[in-house]
Amino acid sequence: SAVISQKPSRDICQRGTSLTIQCQVDSQVTMMFWYRQQPGQSLTLIATANQGSEATYESGFVIDKFPISRPNLTFSTLTVSNMSPEDSSIYLCSVVPGLSSTEAFFGQGTRLTVV
Amino acid sequence: AQKVTQAQTEISVVEKEDVTLDCVYETRDTTYYLFWYKQPPSGELVFLIRRNSFDEQNEISGRYSWNFQKSTSSFNFTITASQVVDSAVYFCALSEGHKLTFGTGTQLKVEL
Repeated sequence: SAVISQKPSRDICQRGTSLTIQCQVDSQVTMMFWYRQQPGQSLTLIATANQGSEATYESGFVIDKFPISRPNLTFSTLTVSNMSPEDSSIYLCSVVPGLSSTEAFFGQGTRLTVV
Repeated sequence: AQKVTQAQTEISVVEKEDVTLDCVYETRDTTYYLFWYKQPPSGELVFLIRRNSFDEQNEISGRYSWNFQKSTSSFNFTITASQVVDSAVYFCALSEGHKLTFGTGTQLKVEL
């Protein structure tokens, strides 16, 4: 298994500002993902964080709005840029330890409110 | 494209009742994995079970059991003798490679 630490756990931000969320894993993992859960909704994949290269974004999500970094095999950041109230969501980091792994582990999430 | 349907938006039961959460999925893949996660009010996602498409054996873990039926593309989850601590949102998910497609979730409320 993998233990995932996400920071911050929650934040209230002003519209127009940006917030960077950190995801730290206690062991090296092959794959890291970022999901968004809007209020009362299901989880939607934002992107796959690729180590040493640009993230792979899902339809509807763009790098300018959600820049992602992954400098090594245990750490990734997601930035929510130029925030609006519509960005109020829970953002979750997820990891898959190895290519042969089939289980995805999730961080505790970052609850973001934009006012 | 993959799709997961959880038709039950909210279920309320009285403690000690049994409850079944439904999950129906669509995929063109022949090899895939199905998952159930629990999300308590605190927000974290708690892994409950993973099942691969070649294993149709039902599984029981304590008060939890899962019924996987490939013929009907369903992967239902039953909680026996429900408890207040079972109150949470439960998500069914389907894997595409290592990416997950989630259903919309079922809010389970267990009352005394």
